[in-house]
Amino acid sequence: SAVISQKPSRDICQRGTSLTIQCQVDSQVTMMFWYRQQPGQSLTLIATANQGSEATYESGFVIDKFPISRPNLTFSTLTVSNMSPEDSSIYLCSVEGLAGGPGELFFGEGSRLTVL
Amino acid sequence: GEDVEQSLFLSVREGDSSVINCTYTDSSSTYLYWYKQEPGAGLQLLTYIFSNMDMKQDQRLTVLLNKKDKHLSLRIADTQTGDSAIYFCARGGGSQGNLIFGKGTKLSVKP
Repeated sequence: SAVISQKPSRDICQRGTSLTIQCQVDSQVTMMFWYRQQPGQSLTLIATANQGSEATYESGFVIDKFPISRPNLTFSTLTVSNMSPEDSSIYLCSVEGLAGGPGELFFGEGSRLTVL
Repeated sequence: GEDVEQSLFLSVREGDSSVINCTYTDSSSTYLYWYKQEPGAGLQLLTYIFSNMDMKQDQRLTVLLNKKDKHLSLRIADTQTGDSAIYFCARGGGSQGNLIFGKGTKLSVKP
């Protein structure tokens, strides 16, 4: 399994501002994934962060709103831009298990954002 | 309806068995998963089952899969207060890293 650290663990933000969430993994991984968990909802994949190329976004998510960086194989950032109260969620970073495994994901502890 | 559905709450007494149920609509996934989320913590993979299996047992956990009915269940034997958490059912979403989750079942264990 991988150890995944996220910062900040929580924050309260003002409407219209942007916040960058950092994710650090203790081993090199090819892909990192960003999920969102809205209150009372299931987790939804935002995008896949690939090292050396642009992130791949899922339907309903766009780069202008959620820019992602992946400068190396152990680190990624997700920015939530121009925030509104609807962006209040837990944002989770994840990586896949060992190669050849059953596709399970390991998650960080999440970053809980509250937008006022 | 939702792709992966679960009941939202379950309450049991300590020492009893807990059964958390999940239904899904897309049966193409190779694996189905159960995750646990304790308060203030990230998701932890509890167990998974290969789609051509009917049952998988792992200590106090038993996973049952009924492919015909698209029904997955997680049974926790001798439930303890430490098992209080939200349990998420998930299936593979067809692309790498994409899991389709249910909304989670909050398990409360009463002493």
